[in-house]
Formats: sequence, structure tokens, C-alpha cells
Amino acid sequence: EVVMTQSPATLSVSPGETATLSCRASQTVYSHLAWYQQRPGQSPRLLVYNAFTRVSGVPDRFSGSGSGTEFTLTISSLQSDDFAVYYCLQYSDGYNFGQGTKLEI
Amino acid sequence: QVQLHESGPRLQKPSETLTLTCNVSGDSITNSGYYWGWARQPPGKGLDWVGIMYYGGSPYYNPSLESRVTISLDTPKNQFSLTLTSVTGADTAVYYCVRVDDTHGYPLPFFESWGQGIFVTVSS
Repeated sequence: EVVMTQSPATLSVSPGETATLSCRASQTVYSHLAWYQQRPGQSPRLLVYNAFTRVSGVPDRFSGSGSGTEFTLTISSLQSDDFAVYYCLQYSDGYNFGQGTKLEI
Repeated sequence: QVQLHESGPRLQKPSETLTLTCNVSGDSITNSGYYWGWARQPPGKGLDWVGIMYYGGSPYYNPSLESRVTISLDTPKNQFSLTLTSVTGADTAVYYCVRVDDTHGYPLPFFESWGQGIFVTVSS
């Protein structure tokens, strides 16, 4: 089973700043990684797939990068509705979600 | 734009069988580019996948749940369902139905559009 580890568990930043979220896989998942945003009380929203392909309608402030075992989601010019929990998902070998990173003010 | 809406019991007794239904609008569950599936999220915890299925194909279940789960498609109603047998408190969670994108040729499709979720409590 592929284990996905996200860091940090909680990230405190201020509006207007840049947040960098990490996701590490226990074995290579190539580029088969997606990122989701989950606001409180809402269902997850797909932001990025194939490690770096942004979903239509997602602001270009959200940027995914990485391949193999190390991945990053960068969110620039943070806005108030960006504060949420972010999950990564590998879909290379079965499915495994990371435990999430909570982005807070 | 596809919309998915879960329905079913909010309270289930231990050892019973849970059945949830997902109504799909804005797309057909016979669309060959997509799987249809379920994920869940225990209270205060992270996401986990339950299983996926596509029209005319075999289901793919989370190995940890495989012995208890069934996903089936109802094409006339454009719905799909989840059946989970012998539920326990560990099955208490928000259950999401999901459209799973298989249009890119990756080894596996990825979870794309999510329903609003339904919170199911397992308790006597």
C-alpha cells in the first residue's frame, strides 16, 4: 500500500502570503497525484490532477508541482476563502489520501 | 455540469446493512469516460475511498472493505448505490458519491466531482 504523508499538519499564514503544502509518497506514484480543497462543512473540491494540471475555474494562484514521491501545492496571494483543509490523493497504485493539511490564519 | 446527490438513512443499527443511493444529473452513468464511486470521511478525520464502478465493467473496491461492500448502477434511474453489510461504529462517517474521471488514460481514474455528502451514524 502506498502511504501518503502530508506536511505540515497545520500551516498558519496570513492573507496575501504564500502557502506551500507538501505531500510525500512512500513509493513512486509518477505524476498520478491530485489535490483537493475541503472548506468547513463542504465536500472536497478537485483543484489539481496529474500533479500539476489545474482544473478549469481554479485560480492560477493554485499551482501543483512534483513527480515521483515528492509533491507540492503552492497557493499564492492567500485569500480568506483559501483557508481550508487540503488533501492529496495518489491514483497510481490503488487510491490513498494523505491525512490533510489544515491551512489557517 | 454534473450534480450528485446522496440519499439514505442517517441512522443505522450495528450489524445491519446500509444502503445509500446517489442520484446523478447533468451526465449519464453510462458515459464511458467516467466511473462512479463512493468515498467516506469519519467525523473529524480524513478521506478514504470505498469503491468505484463503471458501466459495463467490474467494480474496484477498497481492499479493507471488499468483503462487505457492493456498488451497483441503475441505468434507467441514472443512479448508483452503495451497500455496506455488517456495519459497526467504525462505519460512522460522511459518505460522498463521486464521479471518477477516466478520460485521461491514467492507470486509474481520479475522483473528480463530489456530492454534498450524507452523514450516517451507526448506533443502537
